[in-house]
Amino acid sequence: DAGVIQSPRHEVTEMGQEVTLRCKPISGHDYLFWYRQTMMRGLELLIYFNNNVPIDDSGMPEDRFSAKMPNASFSTLKIQPSEPRDSAVYFCASSFGTGGSEKLFFGSGTQLSVL
Amino acid sequence: KQEVTQIPAALSVPEGENLVLNCSFTDSAIYNLQWFRQDPGKGLTSLLLIQSSQREQTSGRLNASLDKSSGRSTLYIAASQPGDSATYLCAVRTGANSKLTFGKGITLSVRP
Repeated sequence: DAGVIQSPRHEVTEMGQEVTLRCKPISGHDYLFWYRQTMMRGLELLIYFNNNVPIDDSGMPEDRFSAKMPNASFSTLKIQPSEPRDSAVYFCASSFGTGGSEKLFFGSGTQLSVL
Repeated sequence: KQEVTQIPAALSVPEGENLVLNCSFTDSAIYNLQWFRQDPGKGLTSLLLIQSSQREQTSGRLNASLDKSSGRSTLYIAASQPGDSATYLCAVRTGANSKLTFGKGITLSVRP
């Protein structure tokens, strides 16, 4: 398996533009997580899905952020409009099963810079 | 609210040294604790997971210990190598269905 695949690897955009980040989880995994990492705040959970259904979006910072998972092999995180404070590395991760001891597999992340 | 702290933020050691990375958490009622490794420009890779009922876990040159009562975990790396250079993060789960709370990590540099 190729692991969790994220695209693009780098995104540079101007304030006010729409940004869409993409994620393909590992085949067979039923949980998908979106995280954001910054120097100031570390790694924060934004939202997670179970079987394509959003379970907890309490980490989504504002209404400007939205996430979808139309099927088991694809998810998007959209920021509209983007702001400079959204600059961060965004990670997607997936896992199989529940119980709290499942292993999380991370993608390589999308480095977002909003100018 | 669970808070996870890792101090210092960065550490530089000569090759071959045995070292200990520390992690502390504020709520001792945890479900499990994990240590992750992050290489520059990469995602996180899980290294070790310790259940709340366990005291330690070992994998190769790595040993992680857990002391719930004091709210601490340590990651011990034996005979460090330049390839161990990375950022090490610990993360705590307070319940089976709760989210992971991450520390900000310790960036380790092992000098040849």
